[in-house]
Amino acid sequence: QSALTQPASVSGSPGQSITISCTGTSSDVGGYNYVSWYQQHPGKAPKLMIYDVSNRPSGVSNRFSGSKSGNTASLTISGLQAEDEADYYCISYTSSSTQVFGGGTKLTVL
Amino acid sequence: EVQLVQSGAEVKKPGESLKISCKGSGYSFTSYWIGWVRQMPGKGLEWMGIIYPGDSDTRYSPSFQGQVTISADKSISTAYLQWSSLKASDTAMYYCARYNWRPYYFDYWGQGTLVTVSS
Repeated sequence: QSALTQPASVSGSPGQSITISCTGTSSDVGGYNYVSWYQQHPGKAPKLMIYDVSNRPSGVSNRFSGSKSGNTASLTISGLQAEDEADYYCISYTSSSTQVFGGGTKLTVL
Repeated sequence: EVQLVQSGAEVKKPGESLKISCKGSGYSFTSYWIGWVRQMPGKGLEWMGIIYPGDSDTRYSPSFQGQVTISADKSISTAYLQWSSLKASDTAMYYCARYNWRPYYFDYWGQGTLVTVSS
């Protein structure tokens, strides 16, 4: 199975909104509402930000939101803050009962 | 408090075997899946596989099937990731994480184990 496709990098200024896309196929993203998003700061373990396409775990800021259309899922971060600068990964359940990550997106807050 | 504590960094030679561990505490170890995620230097996350310690049911990513073995000893609340013959390309950080089944996600993560394979 191939990794999901994410842009290598995105950037935005404090206060702005950015969106990171995650494109797969009908065998993963498009076939299930089981897309999650993780944030990873350098040298740290990943942190769950969104699950089931658009649900936020307890404690995650409501500035983070998720959506999906067809084979593409998206993570939107509104009101960008310096602390949001990190790598972001999407992951989807697949038809082989496993999961596959996206290649990751580096978010730079200008 | 849920905690996953992984074994320490390893330096090995190509062809050697290795088994790293992940000890869970603060929850019912046999009631949640545990998964392993690889991160090669400067690269992204890769889903390797998961195990249900309650009955040792194991699922592997096709990319890792046959390359590694995931196991668990529920008597000591510990999951393992092992290699029979390491390659330089196995050099990476390996994370274990508690895996929630349906919805599917990793909610608690270990601190990572750095494996370096070099002659």
